[in-house]
Amino acid sequence: QQQVKQSPQSLIVQKGGIPIINCAYENTAFDYFPWYQQFPGKGPALLIAIRPDVSEKKEGRFTISFNKSAKQFSLHIMDSQPGDSATYFCAASGNEKLTFGTGTRLTIIP
Amino acid sequence: GAVVSQHPSWVICKSGTSVKIECRSLDFQATTMFWYRQFPKQSLMLMATSNEGSKATYEQGVEKDKFLINHASLTLSTLTVTSAHPEDSSFYICSARDQSRDPGGKLFFGSGTQLSVL
Repeated sequence: QQQVKQSPQSLIVQKGGIPIINCAYENTAFDYFPWYQQFPGKGPALLIAIRPDVSEKKEGRFTISFNKSAKQFSLHIMDSQPGDSATYFCAASGNEKLTFGTGTRLTIIP
Repeated sequence: GAVVSQHPSWVICKSGTSVKIECRSLDFQATTMFWYRQFPKQSLMLMATSNEGSKATYEQGVEKDKFLINHASLTLSTLTVTSAHPEDSSFYICSARDQSRDPGGKLFFGSGTQLSVL
């Protein structure tokens, strides 16, 4: 099974709040889990990525939490800002190909 | 991070014509590039894997004769949409991985090409 399930579909958070986006996978061969940020009319930009040998990774305001036994991983955005408003995609790969989640449209309101 | 350049950013063409989209890795060599398609408010769907010096590998359901891929050098892959029709209108995005710096790791994307077929 190659599917990556992502939730929620959309999310509205007040400035300074911590939006959390969740993803779940089924293929245990997946060993690389990146998150991408996409603005309208632009290609996705890599935010942060994790491999299953760690349970958490932090880069700036972005944190990935990874639960290998549950086959779930999530993105947390600390101190969210209106400029973080974008669509976020989780993804997973076990070879060269990436399988993307369905995306979450995040809106940060002032 | 590595830079992937895609051109053009947008193109409008008449039905029945062919359109070529270029994807270049600017500061690294890419033996493999990937082409994705994205409809409005939807996720990215992998169309094909472009292999330098050999034939592309297409995903199930993607017409290889309609979407011609050429990867003639280590820094350039092209996608040609042949005999385009309105249903081919979409956002096309390429990506590549700098294997020398991060084998099996970070995939960098181009800025995408919005194709509108009239």
